[in-house]
Amino acid sequence: GENVEQHPSTLSVQEGDSAVIKCTYSDSASNYFPWYKQELGKGPQLIIDIRSNVGEKKDQRIAVTLNKTAKHFSLHITETQPEDSAVYFCAASILGGSYIPTFGRGTSLIVHP
Amino acid sequence: SQTIHQWPATLVQPVGSPLSLECTVEGTSNPNLYWYRQAAGRGLQLLFYSVGIGQISSEVPQNLSASRPQDRQFILSSKKLLLSDSGFYLCAWSVQGRVAEKLFFGSGTQLSVL
Repeated sequence: GENVEQHPSTLSVQEGDSAVIKCTYSDSASNYFPWYKQELGKGPQLIIDIRSNVGEKKDQRIAVTLNKTAKHFSLHITETQPEDSAVYFCAASILGGSYIPTFGRGTSLIVHP
Repeated sequence: SQTIHQWPATLVQPVGSPLSLECTVEGTSNPNLYWYRQAAGRGLQLLFYSVGIGQISSEVPQNLSASRPQDRQFILSSKKLLLSDSGFYLCAWSVQGRVAEKLFFGSGTQLSVL
């Protein structure tokens, strides 16, 4: 089955800095990579996703890049703000398949004012 | 639009007592439904998922069970809670036939077993 590794487990940055969270996956057939943000005491919410037919996707201050050859993908947050503080999860799956997305173990992002 | 309701938000139960957590989804038909648990750390552990009424798949053998009595209702139960059942329980749904795509999570239930 799929295995997703996520690093770092904790990331501390100053407000205004950039933050990068990296994930690797094991199944070369995986072609869908969502990212979720979980604020304290709440359920995770999808913030951005990417399919394997593109290498990068942006949405305002967040972007995701995908390297299919190396089987890794990353979340980039620019100009971080205190409200970006949360736990972020990456995941991988095969669109149209019968397997539920495999999640990484999460990264706790702390943005210091 | 679709919404997911999960309750209660917080629950404190003694060891050995029963458990029933309920989740309902509105605004969609025949969704895929999921129960996840987050223990002391941050990881999301998949407990159960269902692709239709009466179809429940268990991912991890444990002290819990799940049922889907109606199309958009998913219930997590236990006959006798253990201390190790403490955690943050999350219900989620995805579009029918698309188990591999995006999940929509509820707000969670914080369960403390004392």
